[in-house]
Amino acid sequence: GQNIDQPTEMTATEGAIVQINCTYQTSGFNGLFWYQQHAGEAPTFLSYNVLDGLEEKGRFSSFLSRSKGYSYLLLKELQMKDSASYLCAALDSNYQLIWGAGTKLIIKP
Amino acid sequence: IAGITQAPTSQILAAGRRMTLRCTQDMRHNAMYWYRQDLGLGLRLIHYSNTAGTTGKGEVPDGYSVSRANTDDFPLTLASAVPSQTSVYFCASGSGSSTDTQYFGPGTRLTVL
Repeated sequence: GQNIDQPTEMTATEGAIVQINCTYQTSGFNGLFWYQQHAGEAPTFLSYNVLDGLEEKGRFSSFLSRSKGYSYLLLKELQMKDSASYLCAALDSNYQLIWGAGTKLIIKP
Repeated sequence: IAGITQAPTSQILAAGRRMTLRCTQDMRHNAMYWYRQDLGLGLRLIHYSNTAGTTGKGEVPDGYSVSRANTDDFPLTLASAVPSQTSVYFCASGSGSSTDTQYFGPGTRLTVL
């Protein structure tokens, strides 16, 4: 079956760095997405990786290893507004998104 | 309208009633999607449409139907609601390319009693 695993919840301190991991098992693979979702709001796009390596976008970076079925989202210089759920989603061979349950990130002052 | 809108914002519905959730986008996106989001589970695709006039079934289509008469609108209908359809429903749209970003509406919180 197809499966996306990511931690349910993480806690970090304002100003610090946090890494949110995601492992995936899909029938075929056409890329990996990260979305941010604040409580009670819609998911919003953060990043897309299809090739191995690190993609940096301001305070946020996303990494992909296709051979390991692994990705992570790295958030630097954490701010209180980064408190949200982070959703990992893999694009399978039919170009349909398979979503993880999300990682709730709690930022403490 | 800017982006993608959904209506209603929330609804409480008696079991057995028929309900249509509305979704409209003004980005001229070809593809549109309906998801449900339940606590502890990932977003699950209900139905999708790659272009006006076509629709397809997602992971959890039973009990739901959709239509795509034009580019902008993609309503989701529950013919006879059941309590297990209590969820938050998100509509999304995208350009339709295989790896495009999906843009989400604000969601509809539906409770079926």
